[in-house]
Amino acid sequence: DGGITQSPKYLFRKEGQNVTLSCEQNLNHDAMYWYRQDPGQGLRLIYYSQIVNDFQKGDIAEGYSVSREKKESFPLTVTSAQKNPTAFYLCASSLASGASTNEQFFGPGTRLTVL
Amino acid sequence: QKEVEQNSGPLSVPEGAIASLNCTYSDRGSQSFFWYRQYSGKSPELIMFIYSNGDKEDGRFTAQLNKASQYVSLLIRDSQPSDSATYLCAVKAGWSGYSTLTFGKGTMLLVSP
Repeated sequence: DGGITQSPKYLFRKEGQNVTLSCEQNLNHDAMYWYRQDPGQGLRLIYYSQIVNDFQKGDIAEGYSVSREKKESFPLTVTSAQKNPTAFYLCASSLASGASTNEQFFGPGTRLTVL
Repeated sequence: QKEVEQNSGPLSVPEGAIASLNCTYSDRGSQSFFWYRQYSGKSPELIMFIYSNGDKEDGRFTAQLNKASQYVSLLIRDSQPSDSATYLCAVKAGWSGYSTLTFGKGTMLLVSP
């Protein structure tokens, strides 16, 4: 069953803690992405990776870190430096060929709440 | 700054009517345009994409693109209550597969029985 999985579904963090959100895909996609969504807002790009061991900052990378050691996995760490981390976090993946479309497909999301 | 604008809604239509969702974008270099549907509390799911001027039909959905006016729309025919969701417009600049998407804030659609 091909798809994108994210865990956990819900995550609670205390002030000052780092937490890591998992994202795994078995679609053989090259590119992976992390977005953040706040209530009533669109998706904002945090980080993306087009190839193993390489990643780029998106529009709101401050307070976040990522790694891409395997093609299938792209974990996101929300650090204590992120001032307002409560949000819905979405992972996506796509092919990264020269084709113009390269649709992005999303995982089910992780809802992070800071206590 | 690339911007994608959508009316936040809600857009209310009766069951069986045509729902028309609109999106404008600021980057003239944009080449590919995507419509996602997002139910409350769920992740976005791709409905369709378009990259040529004109209309593209897929079942009850029709995407319309006018690059000269920097305008893309989604029509939903024979709207059903199950179509009630937030519809996100996303735009990709350039032809490279490595280009990222810029999302609008979405339009909420409510279809009443």
